[in-house]
This record gives sequence, structure tokens and C-alpha cells, in this order.
Amino acid sequence: DTEVTQTPKHLVMGMTNKKSLKCEQHMGHRAMYWYKQKAKKPPELMFVYSYEKLSINESVPSRFSPECPNSSLLNLHLHALQPEDSALYLCASSQESGASYEQYFGPGTRLTVT
Amino acid sequence: KNQVEQSPQSLIILEGKNCTLQCNYTVSPFSNLRWYKQDTGRGPVSLTIMTFSENTKSNGRYTATLDADTKQSSLHITASQLSDSASYICVVTPWSGGYNKLIFGAGTRLAVHP
Repeated sequence: DTEVTQTPKHLVMGMTNKKSLKCEQHMGHRAMYWYKQKAKKPPELMFVYSYEKLSINESVPSRFSPECPNSSLLNLHLHALQPEDSALYLCASSQESGASYEQYFGPGTRLTVT
Repeated sequence: KNQVEQSPQSLIILEGKNCTLQCNYTVSPFSNLRWYKQDTGRGPVSLTIMTFSENTKSNGRYTATLDADTKQSSLHITASQLSDSASYICVVTPWSGGYNKLIFGAGTRLAVHP
């Protein structure tokens, strides 16, 4: 199983809503990542978890709150988002967080903030 | 200045034809260089991965080359199919002892027409 799954596929939320994105992998990977991708742009790294601990936060606003409840799951909690936060949110995982390990991407969640 | 530059930005070819996409990078030292295929609204899927000591890597109709001296890579697609229509992203991983931060190119958008 080399699949990273993400739910939901699409999400529309208002600026006052609270929602969560979910990511799951069963490859035994110990590093998991959140990326944000705007249209026609490359993905931008948001967070890195290694062994269920947050190791990197790329200066992401606090309205995005990541959580890693166990080694297979990664959540991204959303609160008080802005319309400019509308994007494709990608989750990825790798065996470890070192440079030589390949990252496997999920299909993404298309988020629209109204 | 982006450390990974791709050309062309977009390309249209007819089904069955070959094409070559270019990637120039300034990242140094680097651990590996990858080519990803990304369908619109989906997560990137790895096509090839090469370390700095490798010159070529094939995956079916996709062949990637790497010249570490000139810091150039290319992705050659043979006998294109309609399903090859996607963005192709060149990604370089800097050599570091830390986490696996990928440096993405802006991608080449390929359209294959019947």
C-alpha cells in the first residue's frame, strides 16, 4: 500500500467556520507534511511532523493548526480563514524526514473560503 | 531568484510525438532531483528520482537525464498519449542533515492534443 489518502476531496467554508482536513497513510512512514498549493504555482511547505512531533512550521498563521494524533494520521484544523487561503492542500509522507527519502503525496483537498 | 527554473512554461504537442522538458537548478549541494507529474487538482506523482551521481533514469515512456556539472536535467516523453496532459514539476532536495525540504520548480504544463 503506497497510498496517502485525504478527506474531504472538496471543502467550502465561511470565514467564521471551524473545519478539519484529514490525511492518512499506512506505509509505516514516520514523517508527514502539509503543503499549500495555489493555482499554477508549486506546492509550498507548511508543516513537517517527524515521529509525531512538529519539527517544522514554515511561519504559517495560527489560523492553521496541525495535529498528529498517531503515526498514521495527520490533521489540519482550520479556523477563521480568509478568502486568500483558498487553495489545494496537499498531504505527503516519507519513511523518514531526511533528504534521501521520497515523499508520497495524497490527492489533496480543494478548499474554498467564502 | 528561484533555485529551480523550468522551461518551457507550457507546451502543446500532438499525440504520438516526443517532447523534452528542461530543468536548470542552482541548488548545491543537492541530495537528489525528482520529476513529478501532477494532474490538475491532484497531488504530484513521482516519475523518476536521481541522485547527484546518476546520469539517467527511465520509467516507461519517461526518461530523465541529469548533468551535475551544468546543473541541468531534462525529462523526455516518448510517444505521447492524451493522458500525459499534466504539469511536470522538477524538484531538487538540498543536501542537509535535517528535514526533507523540497525545492520545487514552477512546472511545465503539457497539453497533448489528438
